[in-house]
Amino acid sequence: DAMVIQNPRYQVTQFGKPVTLSCSQTLNHNVMYWYQQKSSQAPKLLFHYYDKDFNNEADTPDNFQSRRPNTSFCFLDIRSPGLGDAAMYLCATSSDGRVQTQYFGPGTRLLVL
Amino acid sequence: SQQGEEDPQALSIQEGENATMNCSYKTSINNLQWYRQNSGRGLVHLILIRSNEREKHSGRLRVTLDTSKKSSSLLITASRAADTASYFCATDARDTGNQFYFGTGTSLTVIP
Repeated sequence: DAMVIQNPRYQVTQFGKPVTLSCSQTLNHNVMYWYQQKSSQAPKLLFHYYDKDFNNEADTPDNFQSRRPNTSFCFLDIRSPGLGDAAMYLCATSSDGRVQTQYFGPGTRLLVL
Repeated sequence: SQQGEEDPQALSIQEGENATMNCSYKTSINNLQWYRQNSGRGLVHLILIRSNEREKHSGRLRVTLDTSKKSSSLLITASRAADTASYFCATDARDTGNQFYFGTGTSLTVIP
């Protein structure tokens, strides 16, 4: 089945130690999104790729970076995780950037020690 | 910043009752969508309503949109215990480059 896959489902890292979260999709969608969701809050858009075109939200900290080496994969790099970065990170895709349903992965829950 | 706010924040009902959740947003939109999230999981798309539509149905779901009030409602009829989840509205607004922004969500508990 076509889907959005996130690995790992749970990630533990240490304060200040770089960490990378992965997302892959078999939907062949052009757009991939990364969201941060803290407990009992709405998902907050960090950035998205329209094909290879990177779009950063204005309030996304510089500590968060992203890579999209090909259509199928997208990575979220947190260069120096702080305690406040502990959250669920959700990857989503849509077929293009307009009026399209987003398909979400199951998320990666990040714990920062 | 996020586009939408939802109320109530939490809702608890008996199985078989109807559940109504409301979403308000700030700027003109192209479309509004509703998503569901089970605890600790990703979001699942439920329904999309375009800015020129006023009402839409999908199974036990009914969505209304009032662009003059910048609000939408989601009605779940004949609720089931399996409907227990958080429900979010998401808007893509004309002045935000067509990204999606999620509301604050309503946590629904359906008591068997």
